[in-house]
Amino acid sequence: GAVVSQHPSRVICKSGTSVKIECRSLDFQATTMFWYRQFPKQSLMLMATSNEGSKATYEQGVEKDKFLINHASLTLSTLTVTSAHPEDSSFYICSASGRASEQFFGPGTRLTVL
Amino acid sequence: QKEVEQDPGPLSVPEGAIVSLNCTYSNSAFQYFMWYRQYSRKGPELLMYTYSSGNKEDGRFTAQVDKSSKYISLFIRDSQPSDSATYLCAMTSSNDYKLSFGAGTTVTVRA
Repeated sequence: GAVVSQHPSRVICKSGTSVKIECRSLDFQATTMFWYRQFPKQSLMLMATSNEGSKATYEQGVEKDKFLINHASLTLSTLTVTSAHPEDSSFYICSASGRASEQFFGPGTRLTVL
Repeated sequence: QKEVEQDPGPLSVPEGAIVSLNCTYSNSAFQYFMWYRQYSRKGPELLMYTYSSGNKEDGRFTAQVDKSSKYISLFIRDSQPSDSATYLCAMTSSNDYKLSFGAGTTVTVRA
């Protein structure tokens, strides 16, 4: 199957700092990438959809100024959590889609804000 | 009412048993159906991908889709302890390809 990587896998930061998470599709070109967050023992919650070269589409209730998404190329999307606070601590997962509806997920990034 | 319903379990079976998982949904526009496996603290891994109604088999895994009943299933034959994970159903229409997920079923296969 297609391979999607995320970096870093784990990050701990102080409250008020910004954190950038990278998502890369390693062996295919991803026209669309998705960003999710997942709380313990819960399913994935879609945050935003990004298409290469255009602005991301955010889900209702997700602050676009807090969660900045950039999809600069067909293999790279980044999520920046700005001015992170403890309530932003979560598991962030990206997925990449090349063919229609098939989505391949990255391994996730665990963010802990102290 | 949630768009996709999935019993969260947990489900515990002995090694070698058949694991039966299912989801129901309400949106008749869904055409693409997927099953993902997620180990603790890892990203979901695509197991099965099915378009429209029908059956699909891949090794020990069989996926079934019944669009008339809005019901999908995943069967795991000859289950192994390594199959212990959370299984998520997901589905989408052809409009925007955003996935709607079930809550996930936690499965434990006992050795």
